[in-house]
Amino acid sequence: GQQVMQIPQYQHVQEGEDFTTYCNSSTTLSNIQWYKQRPGGHPVFLIQLVKSGEVKKQKRLTFQFGEAKKNSSLHITATQTTDVGTYFCGTFTNQFYFGTGTSLTVIP
Amino acid sequence: NAGVTQTPKFQVLKTGQSMTLQCAQDMNHNSMYWYRQDPGMGLRLIYYSASEGTTDKGEVPNGYNVSRLNKREFSLRLESAAPSQTSVYFCASSASPGTGYGYTFGSGTRLTVV
Repeated sequence: GQQVMQIPQYQHVQEGEDFTTYCNSSTTLSNIQWYKQRPGGHPVFLIQLVKSGEVKKQKRLTFQFGEAKKNSSLHITATQTTDVGTYFCGTFTNQFYFGTGTSLTVIP
Repeated sequence: NAGVTQTPKFQVLKTGQSMTLQCAQDMNHNSMYWYRQDPGMGLRLIYYSASEGTTDKGEVPNGYNVSRLNKREFSLRLESAAPSQTSVYFCASSASPGTGYGYTFGSGTRLTVV
């Protein structure tokens, strides 16, 4: 199946610091989606990117799709305790494949 | 509230027992999915139904069966539970995969097989 790798697996930051998670593929992706899962909760859709070099923003979150469409990133500026959770990327081909996620801990 | 409803939320089974996880969505979505989530493994697709009347295997279908009862409902059955099936199970739905609307997930079923 489609291999979508995410790094890092875990990240601990002080509140107010920035955070970035990366999603990489060995093949060209037609789309990339990002989800957030709070501890004990379920994944919640954040955004989809489809265009080469696309950048989208949601308040303090910035999503980027690489020029070659083989990687994507999610950047959070000035993290808050409400940002705690696991962030997943995923891509749809004939099925939807999720990355293994990055677990973010924010230290107050 | 519109969304995906899963039942039960928690379940403990003995090895060899059977059970059915229920899922219903009220968003008129065509596609529905069953995922399992294990620590360090992310979300893995068990089965999916692209539209009413069709079902297909995902990455990890062994030990499971599904039924797309109608457009709203998609159930997952464990015929003979094994400890390896201890996991959190999520049902999800989408309008049309890859259209940009994303998947809507249920709140999950936490299953323990002893």
